[in-house]
Amino acid sequence: GENVEQHPSTLSVQEGDSAVIKCTYSDSASNYFPWYKQELGKRPQLIIDIRSNVGEKKDQRIAVTLNKTAKHFSLHITETQPEDSAVYFCAPSLQGAQKLVFGQGTRLTINP
Amino acid sequence: KAGVTQTPRYLIKTRGQQVTLSCSPISGHRSVSWYQQTPGQGLQFLFEYFSETQRNKGNFPGRFSGRQFSNSRSEMNVSTLELGDSALYLCASSLWQFSYNEQFFGPGTRLTVL
Repeated sequence: GENVEQHPSTLSVQEGDSAVIKCTYSDSASNYFPWYKQELGKRPQLIIDIRSNVGEKKDQRIAVTLNKTAKHFSLHITETQPEDSAVYFCAPSLQGAQKLVFGQGTRLTINP
Repeated sequence: KAGVTQTPRYLIKTRGQQVTLSCSPISGHRSVSWYQQTPGQGLQFLFEYFSETQRNKGNFPGRFSGRQFSNSRSEMNVSTLELGDSALYLCASSLWQFSYNEQFFGPGTRLTVL
């Protein structure tokens, strides 16, 4: 089965600084790479995704970069704000498949 | 559109009992997936249904089962409950077109097994 690892498991940054979370996967067939955000007591929500024919995608303060050769992709958050505090999950999968294999999550804390 | 809804939101059961959880997807969504979330194991895929058929299954024992109805609503059942089944059970629905993967999660059902 797919092995998915996220690093770091916890991350604490000062408000305004950048945060980077890395996700490494084992299944070379994976071609869809989403990141989900789960705030405390809330449901996971998709914040950004990328497909394997694209190396980078940006949406305002968040971006995802993909290195398919090395089998890892990363979430970048710039100009962090208190509302960015949450647990972030990567879930590499096959495009069209509805089975998400989640990483163990990264707890991001933004310090004011 | 209304979001994904799950009932009940909280459940307390004892070991050996069985439980049924319900999920109503977003209108028009035909795929429903179920996940178990625990502090130790994280988010784990249980199974996925599309057009009343189970298409994908995770690595859970046969005590975990599910079904989907013609209106896309889904139920999951856990029989012979064990203490380790205590978890947040999340369902997610998806529009499911070949190139469209986003899953929309419900609020979850918090199951406590005593």
